Formats: sequence, structure tokens, C-alpha cells
Amino acid sequence: EADIYQTPRYLVIGTGKKITLECSQTMGHDKMYWYQQDPGMELHLIHYSYGVNSTEKGDLSSESTVSRIRTEHFPLTLESARPSHTSQYLCASSETSGGPVAKNIQYFGAGTRLSVL
Amino acid sequence: KNQVEQSPQSLIILEGKNCTLQCNYTVSPFSNLRWYKQDTGRGPVSLTIMTFSENTKSNGRYTATLDADTKQSSLHITASQLSDSASYICVVSDRGSTLGRLYFGRGTQLTVWP
Repeated sequence: EADIYQTPRYLVIGTGKKITLECSQTMGHDKMYWYQQDPGMELHLIHYSYGVNSTEKGDLSSESTVSRIRTEHFPLTLESARPSHTSQYLCASSETSGGPVAKNIQYFGAGTRLSVL
Repeated sequence: KNQVEQSPQSLIILEGKNCTLQCNYTVSPFSNLRWYKQDTGRGPVSLTIMTFSENTKSNGRYTATLDADTKQSSLHITASQLSDSASYICVVSDRGSTLGRLYFGRGTQLTVWP
């Protein structure tokens, strides 16, 4: 079982609200990622971080923002939620990339299922 | 275009039976291929990871194969159990960036009936 935690697990919220999805890992991994996944569809990378104070946008355009002030914490924020943001959000971390394959495995949290009414 | 295609989209088998899931990819340059298991409402969990030089890898009742020439992989599940019911996702990583870009398939939804 990977030591990466996401809260809340489920969130139902009204349009226009500001929300923050929490993600924490206790493995000391430098790389962290946020994915968006709709039912029956593939995961899409929306944000990633190489380490503290590093954040990059992923392949799928997202109105969300992220921050990486501490190694273990990678929260995702939506300033004004809309129904189009309804989806599952998965956080992941890995020890390194470009190095030994075994250390490039991404460990996923259980996800946050967001519903915006 | 780098893509990962999985088949079948869904599969129903009886408990105790074997099954094989397929993955075809066009990702280049290739670095490694992973199979993940995703239970409903949970995050994916890594089952196997194979590099270019590896053509088979096992993890208990799960055996993955890789043919880097034809760009195909399969995941064979032996003596299926009810707990095997999940989505199985094929993920391919390229060598084109420091990040080790991952390309995800849409998964095969496996249901094991008693």
C-alpha cells in the first residue's frame, strides 16, 4: 500500500465555490502529479512538480492551479468550480524519473471524486 | 501520434478461469511499459513494469509479456478470483523527456463472476 493520501474522497459542491483538493505523501518522493480521469476514459496529466517550488502544466488544459511549498504536500485548487470540472482527480508521486525504472513507478492516491452542481 | 490501445474494452469471466488482456502502443522512443490495476473508486496500483529488454514478468497470478518489435503487450491472469474484478490499465513511458512522459490506455474492465 502506497503512502499517498488524498482528501476529501468525495466532494459535492455548488457552482462558483473555491475548492482545494489535498494530496500528501510520506515517501519523500520528489516528483508529484495530478491526473484527471472521467469514467471509462484514460488518465490525463494536468499538473506535475519536480520538487519544492516547481510546478508545471500537464497535457490537458485545466483551470486548476497547484503549489509545492513542501516536498510532501501538493494541493490542487479551483478558484471557481463549474459543472465541467466534475471528474475524478488522482494524485501520484514517484521517486525519480529518467533513472532506474523501478524508481520511476508512480504511486497513486485513492482519488477525489468531485461533483459540481 | 503516441497512443496506447487496449482490448477488449470489457470482459466477463467465471471465477477460476484464465484470461488475457491486450495492449498495443505507438509510443516512441519507448522506455518502459507498465500494467496497473485500478479497483472501482480507487487509484491505480502497479502490477508489473518492463523495459525494452524484458519480454515477460510475473507478479503472482499476473504475467505480463512484451514484444517491443511489434509494440504489443499482454497481461495474463491465471485462476481468476473475485478480487480480480477491476480495470486493468496499460501505461507506456517514453524516453523523450526528463519527466518520462506516461501514455495511458483506457483500460480493460474485468468482471469475475462466481
